[in-house]
Amino acid sequence: ETGVTQSPTHLIKTRGQQVTLRCSSQSGHNTVSWYQQALGQGPQFIFQYYREEENGRGNFPPRFSGLQFPNYSSELNVNALELDDSALYLCASSLSGTSGSYEQYFGPGTRLTVT
Amino acid sequence: LAKTTQPISMDSYEGQEVNITCSHNNIATNDYITWYQQFPSQGPRFIIQGYKTKVTNEVASLFIPADRKSSTLSLPRVSLSDTAVYYCLVGDMPGANNLFFGTGTRLTVIP
Repeated sequence: ETGVTQSPTHLIKTRGQQVTLRCSSQSGHNTVSWYQQALGQGPQFIFQYYREEENGRGNFPPRFSGLQFPNYSSELNVNALELDDSALYLCASSLSGTSGSYEQYFGPGTRLTVT
Repeated sequence: LAKTTQPISMDSYEGQEVNITCSHNNIATNDYITWYQQFPSQGPRFIIQGYKTKVTNEVASLFIPADRKSSTLSLPRVSLSDTAVYYCLVGDMPGANNLFFGTGTRLTVIP
């Protein structure tokens, strides 16, 4: 069973640039969630994708966007980077059904630094 | 919005039992309670999940009173490797708008 993987591990970007982060879900999982974790803080929910559709969004501006592909892998895109976007970006996959709660499996994260 | 409140930090000696309590006064009927563990520079790792009463697995127990407004994560006989941040979450599905990690409880295990 393959776990959740993310790429790249680290990334340095300049303010105003755009970035794409990638996530491969755990085998058999159909749902991907993205989180932003600033230093010393808990993860903050950005959005979730289920069967290639956005299925919930946190309090993040539209310049944070995403995609989920037929193989359930996912991308997080951030446009017009700001210094405050510097954080650890976490991807979590899970298997969603009709109701109830689900265990999420997190990847190791991508550390983004905006200068 | 079912947010949670946890102690910011706790210290414990090796071999002791550690209980971390989380308050979630606005928990909804469909919400589950889930605990995660996170080491520095790693993603959170699922520990345990429950809806009511008591749940036990190979690493922890989760106690939930009848009113479900709080929950207690119990770690038996902690070791140095249990030093981490522990998060309590409530929600009915991962990624729903009511899923909130908070700042967690930083547990330090002392030799």
